[in-house]
Amino acid sequence: GESVGLHLPTLSVQEGDNSIINCAYSNSASDYFIWYKQESGKGPQFIIDIRSNMDKRQGQRVTVLLNKTVKHLSLQIAATQPGDSAVYFCAERTYKYIFGTGTRLKVLA
Amino acid sequence: NAGVTQTPKFRVLKTGQSMTLLCAQDMNHEYMYWYRQDPGMGLRLIHYSVGEGTTAKGEVPDGYNVSRLKKQNFLLGLESAAPSQTSVYFCASSWMKGTSGELFFGEGSRLTVL
Repeated sequence: GESVGLHLPTLSVQEGDNSIINCAYSNSASDYFIWYKQESGKGPQFIIDIRSNMDKRQGQRVTVLLNKTVKHLSLQIAATQPGDSAVYFCAERTYKYIFGTGTRLKVLA
Repeated sequence: NAGVTQTPKFRVLKTGQSMTLLCAQDMNHEYMYWYRQDPGMGLRLIHYSVGEGTTAKGEVPDGYNVSRLKKQNFLLGLESAAPSQTSVYFCASSWMKGTSGELFFGEGSRLTVL
């Protein structure tokens, strides 16, 4: 069946360091992979997406890498700030969106 | 534009009661989805719709029904609520064409079943 999973349930990083959140996916037919940020008590917030025919995409302080050979997706956050503390979800899309279980990012002062 | 709007935002039910959650989107999206999120968990797909008049089961459809009579609305019904259905429910919508994979979410509906 389809599944999207995350390797690390909790990630703690020092403020100013770079963060890397990883995700494994299983459906080779997915056309988009998406990262969401969710703060406590709020709905998921879109961060960045990447189309399946790309291997890298950059946004403001974030970079998503896609490795289709090993079905791996990662989100890199540069110069992590306290406001980045949240749960991060990856998702893969075919005609529906399937989400991973999430990684909690804690930013240490 | 309001985006995706869910009503109600909070509801408390007794076991066995029924209720309907309403989702409305004003972005002319074809695809709409209902997810549930339990504490400390990810989003699990309940039902989805690829267009007006169509619905399909997701990962956890049991105990729920949906309807998409109008393109802009997607209703989630609980016929006989159970405590296991206590959760936060998110509606979302998207295009399937274009240059973005973004899924647009509502603010969530917190349901407690006693």
